[in-house]
Amino acid sequence: EVQLVESGGGLVQPGGSLRLSCAASGFTFSSYYMSWVRQAPGKGLEWVANIKPDGSEEYYVDSLKGRFTISRDNAKNSLYLEMNSLRAEDTAVYHCARDVTHFDHWGQGTLVTVSS
Amino acid sequence: EIVLTQSPATLSLSPGERATLSCRASQSVSSNLAWYQYKPGQAPRLLIFDASNRATGIPARFSGSGSGTDFTLTISSVEPEDFAVYYCQQRSNWCSFGQGTKLDI
Repeated sequence: EVQLVESGGGLVQPGGSLRLSCAASGFTFSSYYMSWVRQAPGKGLEWVANIKPDGSEEYYVDSLKGRFTISRDNAKNSLYLEMNSLRAEDTAVYHCARDVTHFDHWGQGTLVTVSS
Repeated sequence: EIVLTQSPATLSLSPGERATLSCRASQSVSSNLAWYQYKPGQAPRLLIFDASNRATGIPARFSGSGSGTDFTLTISSVEPEDFAVYYCQQRSNWCSFGQGTKLDI
């Protein structure tokens, strides 16, 4: 059974940093693109970034380029999202998802709250 | 950027009724469209991919249709567990989601 479990969310002050993790199991992690998708309170889903199976290329939504970095460790079956210079508008539930052009498996998400 | 517009924003129905949800793209996405069900506190669930293909384990009451710019998700007879928010998503040009349709009692 495919499982994706996010962790690392929490309360952070504006301007701060946070690193999210996603532990994957039940499939050959190193064979798949992986993505991060977020949902801000009261808003819809927003794709954040994705990364190639071997980690050689990353893609980001334009509005987040330069502040967020996606990475992966295939030996640990883990996906990461490094978030810097956080703003109130980054407050959201962050989901990792297996990316096969659509997202066929998702985690439950981890809540990031940016507030002073 | 391709903008997906979903309608209606809220659909109020009773169990047993037919639900028809619409997703319109600002330019053609061919058949590169998926539908998801999202309940608070849960992982989103893939329902339909490539416009009309049901994902593994999805009941037959869910069906998708359309191509180009106009797409429809139909629930033939709404069950109590179907009340949720539904999103469409395209991958023809980068990735974008619609703003969602809430299926309400």
